[in-house]
Amino acid sequence: AQSVTQLDSQVPVFEEAPVELRCNYSSSVSVYLFWYVQYPNQGLQLLLKYLSGSTLVKGINGFEAEFNKSQTSFHLRKPSVHISDTAEYFCAVSLFLYNFNKFYFGSGTKLNVKP
Amino acid sequence: SQTIHQWPATLVQPVGSPLSLECTVEGTSNPNLYWYRQAAGRGLQLLFYSVGIGQISSEVPQNLSASRPQDRQFILSSKKLLLSDSGFYLCAWGLNHMDRGVQYFGPGTRLTVL
Repeated sequence: AQSVTQLDSQVPVFEEAPVELRCNYSSSVSVYLFWYVQYPNQGLQLLLKYLSGSTLVKGINGFEAEFNKSQTSFHLRKPSVHISDTAEYFCAVSLFLYNFNKFYFGSGTKLNVKP
Repeated sequence: SQTIHQWPATLVQPVGSPLSLECTVEGTSNPNLYWYRQAAGRGLQLLFYSVGIGQISSEVPQNLSASRPQDRQFILSSKKLLLSDSGFYLCAWGLNHMDRGVQYFGPGTRLTVL
């Protein structure tokens, strides 16, 4: 069975500081990995994805994530956050079933950037 | 480019009333379509998915149903709402052959059942 664990439900950080949002997954087969961001009362927006190739992937808004197969992790990082990064972040894995991709989402991490 | 619409944006309904939420996708053909619910302080729960017109699969037994009358239209319904149906409902689409089926989300509908 597949599952996604986001270890921190809330992460407070000061503006211009670095941040890391942690994500671990479990799966018996190869999966694809994603990070989404959700601003208040909006849908989810794709930040970045790991499908194959380089384990360091870069996304929008200066975020990046590193796939670590041995540790089954896909942590999200940003070297310097802005107030506008305040949002909820969701890690997800997808598993291709016979005719569609099923996504498994973590419970989310709320990033609160303080001035 | 592809776009996804949901309406209404917000809805307040009494317990026992019917529900109809609509989702439409533009700029693509034969997408996979998904309905999720996001309860307060919780993650996303997949409710239904559809791989084609009239093909609906349910992930969890509940008070809701879904239909896909047209290729790019996905409807979420209920005959009688319960208090526990309150939440933020998200529609999403994806293509198996595009980016490993990455899902793109609509703006959501905030449903409050009183």
